Amino acid sequence: NAGVTQTPKFRILKIGQSMTLQCTQDMNHNYMYWYRQDPGMGLKLIYYSVGAGITDKGEVPNGYNVSRSTTEDFPLRLELAAPSQTSVYFCATTIKGQNTEAFFGQGTRLTVV
Amino acid sequence: AQSVTQLGSHVSVSEGALVLLRCNYSSSVPPYLFWYVQYPNQGLQLLLKYTSAATLVKGINGFEAEFKKSETSFHLTKPSAHMSDAAEYFCAVTPEGFGNTGKLIFGQGTTLQVKP
Repeated sequence: NAGVTQTPKFRILKIGQSMTLQCTQDMNHNYMYWYRQDPGMGLKLIYYSVGAGITDKGEVPNGYNVSRSTTEDFPLRLELAAPSQTSVYFCATTIKGQNTEAFFGQGTRLTVV
Repeated sequence: AQSVTQLGSHVSVSEGALVLLRCNYSSSVPPYLFWYVQYPNQGLQLLLKYTSAATLVKGINGFEAEFKKSETSFHLTKPSAHMSDAAEYFCAVTPEGFGNTGKLIFGQGTTLQVKP
């Protein structure tokens, strides 16, 4: 099992460009999450999904969109990239939500210039 | 709103010394608490979690944490540091009132440096 796979690992975007960060899991988990990690700030939740077709906003959703058409995939879309979106993005999944272990991908390091 | 505070963004210890990483939380209900570790250029992985079954929780790699409700703390300890423990450590809590969503609120993180 690969677990949680994120692509790309690194990306440089110009201001105003758009891109999709891909996240795929082969663990058959219903719950998936996108976090961003900024130095000294810990991780902040962007969006999450409790199952295919269901998504909801987290703490810092502005400038991002998500979709969840399948159990396996949870892409994160950045429209009109801004320097404030320079960050490391992590996708995660849990088997049943509360009080269960979250499994993280290796992250996507995004720089907006 | 719930929050998590990790005291000390950087902690440096000598190999073989005690490791103590501090975490305090705010919550009006019994919380679910976690410690995660992040090695360089890696994702996070679970060290241990508090489930209310026992106040002293043992995790992987010799780490343990004690839940103290009176102090609203969940400090992480290891009796003897190893060079391989050098990493960033995050304390996290499940936000109250959000049922079974698995969302996490993270502390700011503590970077552990282990000196030979």
